[in-house]
Amino acid sequence: GQQLNQSPQSMFIQEGEDVSMNCTSSSIFNTWLWYKQDPGEGPVLLIALYKAGELTSNGRLTAQFGITRKDSFLNISASIPSDVGIYFCAGPYNTDKLIFGTGTRLQVFP
Amino acid sequence: GAVVSQHPSWVICKSGTSVKIECRSLDFQATTMFWYRQFPKQSLMLMATSNEGSKATYEQGVEKDKFLINHASLTLSTLTVTSAHPEDSSFYICSARDLELAGAPNEQFFGPGTRLTVL
Repeated sequence: GQQLNQSPQSMFIQEGEDVSMNCTSSSIFNTWLWYKQDPGEGPVLLIALYKAGELTSNGRLTAQFGITRKDSFLNISASIPSDVGIYFCAGPYNTDKLIFGTGTRLQVFP
Repeated sequence: GAVVSQHPSWVICKSGTSVKIECRSLDFQATTMFWYRQFPKQSLMLMATSNEGSKATYEQGVEKDKFLINHASLTLSTLTVTSAHPEDSSFYICSARDLELAGAPNEQFFGPGTRLTVL
């Protein structure tokens, strides 16, 4: 079946550093979504990508839809403590369902 | 906009009892809601798709008689875990799609989750 693999699995960085994570798939997606989940909370949508090659920003976050349609990247610039959480990529299948990636756990130290 | 609530936020119950979890879209209508389960340090796994006015569709391996879903209105879906056992302890999260977001058909908005602990 489909799988979305995220790397790295976890990151420990210092406040102010930039962060980069990616998501790869064994199949093609027409949409990529990036979510952040805080501990004990539901995921919150950060960025949605709808076109191959698309580069979209949301504040300090920038995400790109890979040309092959099998990958996507999320970058966070100048990290701050509230960036701590788990970042998930997600892609649609079977019309309206979403499959989630394995997640990247981010820890930011002051 | 696009706020989804869940109730309760956490519940502890005895083995063998049933637990009902509510999912509401507060400021939009949703013909489709989704129920996910998330075990510690794992990703979200889709359990079922809840359709207003019709039967839910379950993912492979999810027992429909154990996880009863009712979607009685465009703003409310309920998940009932029947005869709960300790292995059902998990974080249950619902999501909904906003019908008005025609240009974003795949975006789902998530509730805050319900932590179920079965003793």
